[in-house]
Amino acid sequence: GDSVTQMEGPVTLSEEAFLTINCTYTATGYPSLFWYVQYPGEGLQLLLKATKADDKGSNKGFEATYRKETTSFHLEKGSVQVSDSAVYFCALSTQGGSEKLVFGKGTKLTVNP
Amino acid sequence: DARVTQTPRHKVTEMGQEVTMRCQPILGHNTVFWYRQTMMQGLELLAYFRNRAPLDDSGMPKDRFSAEMPDATLATLKIQPSEPRDSAVYFCASGLVEQFFGPGTRLTVL
Repeated sequence: GDSVTQMEGPVTLSEEAFLTINCTYTATGYPSLFWYVQYPGEGLQLLLKATKADDKGSNKGFEATYRKETTSFHLEKGSVQVSDSAVYFCALSTQGGSEKLVFGKGTKLTVNP
Repeated sequence: DARVTQTPRHKVTEMGQEVTMRCQPILGHNTVFWYRQTMMQGLELLAYFRNRAPLDDSGMPKDRFSAEMPDATLATLKIQPSEPRDSAVYFCASGLVEQFFGPGTRLTVL
């Protein structure tokens, strides 16, 4: 079945460091790919998405590129801030964003001043 | 600022009791999802509805869980009887093109 694998956390960085969170997927067909962020005590929020190969999603300084050849959608940010501390989830949907999502386990990021 | 609302935000109950969680989706959204989040299993889809009709509830233990949409403004998730292993955060999400999540109900079953 469809699945998403994320790098194990937690990840701890200093402010202004470069961030990469790896995500790979297994799916039939051509899925849409998503990154969601969950701040403490809150629900998930969509951070960015890509719907086809080579698309780049971006938002709030975060970027991820849909790589069909490596079945990956790694999240990157050039300079993290303390406010980026949260749990990040990679997800896929084989039927578009309004259909059911398959999530990775989540990666907790802590950014220290 | 349209948001998905969930009640209650926290619930502590004893094993065997009935638990009802409620969700008000964003007005105009025709798809509603229920997810469960635990440390061990992560985020799991329990069920989802389109235009109030259930599309998929394969993730839900049918013997004790039930999900309904009595009308377009209310979705409910019931557990009867509850068990300690049901302790988790339950999220509702609604959407048209993308999913918007509510703040969750943290359930503790003693």
